[in-house]
Amino acid sequence: GAGVSQTPSNKVTEKGKYVELRCDPISGHTALYWYRQSLGQGPEFLIYFQGTGAADDSGLPNDRFFAVRPEGSVSTLKIQRTERGDSAVYLCASSPNAGEKTQYFGPGTRLLVL
Amino acid sequence: AQSVTQPDIHITVSEGASLELRCNYSYGATPYLFWYVQSPGQGLQLLLKYFSGDTLVQGIKGFEAEFKRSQSSFNLRKPSVHWSDAAEYFCAVGRMDSSYKLIFGSGTRLLVRP
Repeated sequence: GAGVSQTPSNKVTEKGKYVELRCDPISGHTALYWYRQSLGQGPEFLIYFQGTGAADDSGLPNDRFFAVRPEGSVSTLKIQRTERGDSAVYLCASSPNAGEKTQYFGPGTRLLVL
Repeated sequence: AQSVTQPDIHITVSEGASLELRCNYSYGATPYLFWYVQSPGQGLQLLLKYFSGDTLVQGIKGFEAEFKRSQSSFNLRKPSVHWSDAAEYFCAVGRMDSSYKLIFGSGTRLLVRP
């Protein structure tokens, strides 16, 4: 079956611009996670959705970052007024439900802010 | 606070040699533990996981890991490394009282000599 997909695979933008990153979880998975992976580091948690609601957004670095999942499936991570420090790989993961602890990751979106 | 330490940034082994990648975690309760592998430009692939029970767990691609509570460790091993194992390996810890927010180590890059 299809895994987690993310689009675009690469995004280059200019400082100050707005970007949207999309995640399509595995079909039927109700839990969805976003992580950010900076160069040479492990992934860092950003936000977790259970269904349509953000159950934990404690990892979002500031109010320029926002994520939605309006229908409980696809999620969009939105970054306003991008800064060079936002350059990283943004990873999405899903799991069947909140009680299932294994997360399945997508290939990521590599964001470069010039 | 939870944390994961992977003390080796790089490890180089010869093809056919054995491998051990170290992982130490800090967590006040019973953790659940994962090893993921990331090839260049790829997402994270789950190698194996430990939730409870037998402390020696088997994973894909011939990998195994042993949970040692007394040492707060979850080291990854493989008896004979193949050139295709060259990649970055991440250890992660999650909480037993919630099913989100994996905490990752900073990774160990494995290089395989022919």
